[in-house]
Amino acid sequence: DIQMTQSPSTLSASVGDTVTITCRASQSVSPWLAWYQQKPGKAPELLIYKTSTLETGVPSRFSGSGSGTEFTLTISSLQPDDFASYFCQQYHTYWTFGQGTKVEVK
Amino acid sequence: EVQLVESGGGLVQPGGSLRLSCVGSGFNFNDYEMFWVRQAPGKGLEWLSHITGSGRTTNYADSVKGRSTVSRDNGKRSLYLQVNSLRAEDTAVYYCARGGYSGSYFAYWGQGALVSVSS
Repeated sequence: DIQMTQSPSTLSASVGDTVTITCRASQSVSPWLAWYQQKPGKAPELLIYKTSTLETGVPSRFSGSGSGTEFTLTISSLQPDDFASYFCQQYHTYWTFGQGTKVEVK
Repeated sequence: EVQLVESGGGLVQPGGSLRLSCVGSGFNFNDYEMFWVRQAPGKGLEWLSHITGSGRTTNYADSVKGRSTVSRDNGKRSLYLQVNSLRAEDTAVYYCARGGYSGSYFAYWGQGALVSVSS
């Protein structure tokens, strides 16, 4: 099974900050990596798929990069609506999620 | 507009069974693979099952393999998950999700159905 490890688990930031979340896979999953945003009490929403392709309607301040086993989600100029939890997911071999990163107000 | 609506959640006794349903609208249902995902209270996301658009191929996570069945009725635009031998650790919000246009990521999600396993 492919394991996904996200870091950090919690990230404290302020509006306007640039934040980066890292996701590491136990084996290469490139380029089949997606990122989701989840707000409390809501279903997750797709942000990025195939490592760096932004889903329609997702603001351009979100970006994804990486290859092989290491991937990053970057949020530039953090907005109030961005305080949420973020999950990476590999879909190279079956489907596995990272444990999540909560972006909270500093 | 793509919509997925789950139903069938509730309180179930340990050892019992449940059948979750998910109705899709706003897209050609039979063109897309579908998934079930769950999230235990305060925890992360766990993929449970997958079914191709035709329904011919299914996959399961080890946590539910052998005690769950995923199926679909394309005529009714519906996805189902039957889970047997429920235990306390199956308590979670269960989501259905639709595959992407260009890959097996989870492009759209339902609102979720809460399943509580308790005596």
